[in-house]
Amino acid sequence: GIQVEQSPPDLILQEGANSTLRCNFSDSVNNLQWFHQNPWGQLINLFYIPSGTKQNGRLSATTVATERYSLLYISSSQTTDSGVYFCAVPGGSEKLVFGKGTKLTVNP
Amino acid sequence: DTGVSQDPRHKITKRGQNVTFRCDPISEHNRLYWYRQTLGQGPEFLTYFQNEAQLEKSRLLSDRFSAERPKGSFSTLEIQRTEQGDSAMYLCASSLVRPSGANVLTFGAGSRLTVL
Repeated sequence: GIQVEQSPPDLILQEGANSTLRCNFSDSVNNLQWFHQNPWGQLINLFYIPSGTKQNGRLSATTVATERYSLLYISSSQTTDSGVYFCAVPGGSEKLVFGKGTKLTVNP
Repeated sequence: DTGVSQDPRHKITKRGQNVTFRCDPISEHNRLYWYRQTLGQGPEFLTYFQNEAQLEKSRLLSDRFSAERPKGSFSTLEIQRTEQGDSAMYLCASSLVRPSGANVLTFGAGSRLTVL
């Protein structure tokens, strides 16, 4: 099945710093989603981005489908950005396959 | 509508007992998914429903697991004869799928199971 690798596994930032999270996937996809899981476990959908670039406030995402990777940019990070960021791609039929995530800690 | 609701949020049980989790999706959504997440891992797909029909089950869903969505609205996930390895967060998600449309999942807050 499709493999999803995320890097880095852990990231510690000072408030106000910028960061880039990466998601590599092993096969062609027509759907890629980024999620943020807050410290209480709630998964929030950030982007549906099969290709191209999207921006939402301080967050933006770019997917280069032909090269099988996606990037999530966080600018001017805030402590509320802490949590785990997951990317997910279709794993055949309608299921999503998630990576192991990037754990982000933003210190004040 | 306030999103996807899951109940209970936490469940502690003894090995061998049965447990049931409930998920209430966003009302206009036609798809409902169950995922399981263990510590340090991403969510893993268990099963999904299109309206009331269960269309796919993962190999992770052993015979001890059963999911239903009787009227195409809420869903239940039952685990019989629980084992310590069943300890995990059980996540429910729903989506509205239209022809040629994006399938964007909305997750609930999860039900955390601890089997002693």
